[in-house]
Amino acid sequence: EAGVTQSPTHLIKTRGQQVTLRCSPISGHTSVYWYQQALGLGLQFLLWYDEGEERNRGNFPPRFSGRQFPNYSSELNVNALELEDSALYLCASSSGQGTNTGELFFGEGSRLTVL
Amino acid sequence: GDSVTQMEGPVTLSEEAFLTINCTYTATGYPSLFWYVQYPGEGLQLLLKATKADDKGSNKGFEATYRKETTSFHLEKGSVQVSDSAVYFCALIKKTNAGKSTFGDGTTLTVKP
Repeated sequence: EAGVTQSPTHLIKTRGQQVTLRCSPISGHTSVYWYQQALGLGLQFLLWYDEGEERNRGNFPPRFSGRQFPNYSSELNVNALELEDSALYLCASSSGQGTNTGELFFGEGSRLTVL
Repeated sequence: GDSVTQMEGPVTLSEEAFLTINCTYTATGYPSLFWYVQYPGEGLQLLLKATKADDKGSNKGFEATYRKETTSFHLEKGSVQVSDSAVYFCALIKKTNAGKSTFGDGTTLTVKP
């Protein structure tokens, strides 16, 4: 069974640019979560999507946005990139809320460097 | 709000040493508690979990017991191996918290042969 896949694995952008990160959840999972892992910091919750809807959002500015598609894959968009956006962006998936035990299944992440 | 506090690292041990990584939490209600491990260059993967007080999670020789009275979920292993070198994250989630898991800052473990 394929795990959570993310793309691209690495990318370099300059300040002010925009980036789109992609995530495909485990087959059968309807919830997708995005986390930011900056160097030396823990995981910061960004967004939660379930059944195509944004269900919760962390304390990030509006230039961080995303969406979930009908096939449950997801995109994370970051506009007007700043140096401090450099981080590993992790996507995770889980089964629907009715059967969710709380366990998250993570992808390997997309490492974004902003110069 | 909810929070998780982990023992600060890095932790360096010799092979076969005993490991304890402390984790305490602050949360209302009845969270589930998790330990995740992140090996170099990889994403996080679930190591073990406990969903209610006094539950003990265990996997690959690691154990942690959900202690509601001390709000703790300390990770232990009796004899570490070089292959256990990784970053360990303690986390909690409440079903009432709209999908948001709260993670500790992670503890880096290095095991030397």
